Amino acid sequence: EAQVTQNPRYLITVTGKKLTVTCSQNMNHEYMSWYRQDPGLGLRQIYYSMNVEVTDKGDVPEGYKVSRKEKRNFPLILESPSPNQTSLYFCASRAGTENQPQHFGDGTRLSIL
Amino acid sequence: AQSVAQPEDQVNVAEGNPLTVKCTYSVSGNPYLFWYVQYPNRGLQFLLKYITGDNLVKGSYGFEAEFNKSQTSFHLKKPSALVSDSALYFCAVRDEYGGATNKLIFGTGTLLAVQP
Repeated sequence: EAQVTQNPRYLITVTGKKLTVTCSQNMNHEYMSWYRQDPGLGLRQIYYSMNVEVTDKGDVPEGYKVSRKEKRNFPLILESPSPNQTSLYFCASRAGTENQPQHFGDGTRLSIL
Repeated sequence: AQSVAQPEDQVNVAEGNPLTVKCTYSVSGNPYLFWYVQYPNRGLQFLLKYITGDNLVKGSYGFEAEFNKSQTSFHLKKPSALVSDSALYFCAVRDEYGGATNKLIFGTGTLLAVQP
């Protein structure tokens, strides 16, 4: 089954404790992206990757890092989380052409205390 | 700059009645338009898209959308609503000239509530 898998689905942690949210897709997609979803703001892009070793900032990259060492994986790293990063996070992937829809994971709900 | 607006935070409709969820957009070139649906505790699921061609696009679960270039709109419609259609709906747009960023801009979402 074609899917995007995120882990963990839920995490409560404390300010400053480094965390990583993993994302893996099995569709051999070149493009992957991370979004955060906040009430009244819709989805905002954090980082994206056009292919292996090619990443770039989205609209709200501050406080986040990503890497793309393999085509299927695109982890999101919060090196020193802060409460304003409490949010619902989604990973997505799509095939290379711009007119293709994105496939989303089921989300990771992060609470930073 | 590209943008998308969903003017209604919530749409209420009775089961069996037609529904419309509104979306307007702004892009420099021709738009690539998408509708996604989000059920509770799930990621966004693709419903339909408009890239070019026929202005009326049919998608999953009986939904359709009409592209109107003069009004810069892409409203989502369904002739007969089901209670199971209750969910959060997102419109998204990408400019055909998006270039290297390939960014998809999402609206703020419209909560559809279908009453039995």
